[in-house]
Amino acid sequence: NAGVTQTPKFQVLKTGQSMTLQCAQDMNHNSMYWYRQDPGMGLRLIYYSASEGTTDKGEVPNGYNVSRLNKREFSLRLESAAPSQTSVYFCASSELSWTGGDADTQYFGPGTRLTVL
Amino acid sequence: KQEVTQIPAALSVPEGENLVLNCSFTDSAIYNLQWFRQDPGKGLTSLLLIQSSQREQTSGRLNASLDKSSGRSTLYIAASQPGDSATYLCAVRPSGAGSYQLTFGKGTKLSVIP
Repeated sequence: NAGVTQTPKFQVLKTGQSMTLQCAQDMNHNSMYWYRQDPGMGLRLIYYSASEGTTDKGEVPNGYNVSRLNKREFSLRLESAAPSQTSVYFCASSELSWTGGDADTQYFGPGTRLTVL
Repeated sequence: KQEVTQIPAALSVPEGENLVLNCSFTDSAIYNLQWFRQDPGKGLTSLLLIQSSQREQTSGRLNASLDKSSGRSTLYIAASQPGDSATYLCAVRPSGAGSYQLTFGKGTKLSVIP
């Protein structure tokens, strides 16, 4: 199993450009998440999808949109990139997000390092 | 708002030592607490998940404890090895319907010196 995969691994954008970060999981998980990690700020949730067909905002959703394409795939789109969006982006998945038990364990992808000039 | 604090921010120990990493949280209304490991330039790897009804969990040389009422968790690493060098993060999930958002601490960077 590949687990959680993310593409691309690195990306440089100019201010105002758009791009989509792709995420896929092969563990048949119901829930998927997008985080950003910044020095001194830790990991913060951008958006999540508790189950196929639903998406909800996390702590820092401004400037982003998401699509849960199917059970496997969850994409993050930056419509008009800004330097403040320079960060490392992680996708994660879990089996069930509402039980609170071991199924809550989140599995992370390797990350996308994004620089906005 | 839930806040998660990890002290110390960095720790350096000689190989073979037993060590304890600390995690504290301000709101005791949690479903569970997770400990993760992050290697430089990599994603997070889940180490242990403790449910709110549990006091501890063990996996190999790792033991995590949870004292929900006092808002504290510890990760004990026995007989540390250079391969344990990484950043360790804890995260809590709040209880309550629809509460999916984990709150992470900023991590403790561990260096195990051969």
